[in-house]
Amino acid sequence: AQSVAQPEDQVNVAEGNPLTVKCTYSVSGNPYLFWYVQYPNRGLQFLLKYITGDNLVKGSYGFEAEFNKSQTSFHLKKPSALVSDSALYFCAVRDADSGGYQKVTFGTGTKLQVIP
Amino acid sequence: GAGVSQSPSNKVTEKGKDVELRCDPISGHTALYWYRQSLGQGLEFLIYFQGNSAPDKSGLPSDRFSAERTGGSVSTLTIQRTQQEDSAVYLCASSLAIGGGTDTQYFGPGTRLTVL
Repeated sequence: AQSVAQPEDQVNVAEGNPLTVKCTYSVSGNPYLFWYVQYPNRGLQFLLKYITGDNLVKGSYGFEAEFNKSQTSFHLKKPSALVSDSALYFCAVRDADSGGYQKVTFGTGTKLQVIP
Repeated sequence: GAGVSQSPSNKVTEKGKDVELRCDPISGHTALYWYRQSLGQGLEFLIYFQGNSAPDKSGLPSDRFSAERTGGSVSTLTIQRTQQEDSAVYLCASSLAIGGGTDTQYFGPGTRLTVL
């Protein structure tokens, strides 16, 4: 069975400081990994994904994430946080080695609060 | 192009009534998913459609919940005899296909259901 862990319910960071939102995963094969952001009263917006290739993935709004196979992690990062980055962030995983349909498993979400 | 749309955006109903929630996926997306997000919770998978068929209904919480998809496009999630515990945000997502990088899910804004 596949799973995703987001160990922090909330992350607080000062505006202008670098931010990290943590995610670890478990799959039986290789992973496809995703990050989504949810602003208040909105649906989830796709940020970035890791499929294969370069371990550092760049996405929307200046976010990036690094795939680390040995640590089974896919942490989300941004060099300089903005107040407008305050939102709920979800990590998700899918088993890349299963053919056809495979359910995507979402983490429980991490609330990011950027303090002015 | 247009994203995933859902209607209504908000629905308030009385306990015991039936409700229908609608999802219009991105044009050309063959896969469609329904999720439920309760207050402060992560995403709970409900059902997955490929075309008009639903190969994975494993997340439907009870037989009061059903869903259909017609014409490989619009989907309706029906909740019969609503209960207060059904109160949540119901999110719909669609993806181009299944497999590889094409199964990135794109979400609608959700329907907030409140059962009084």
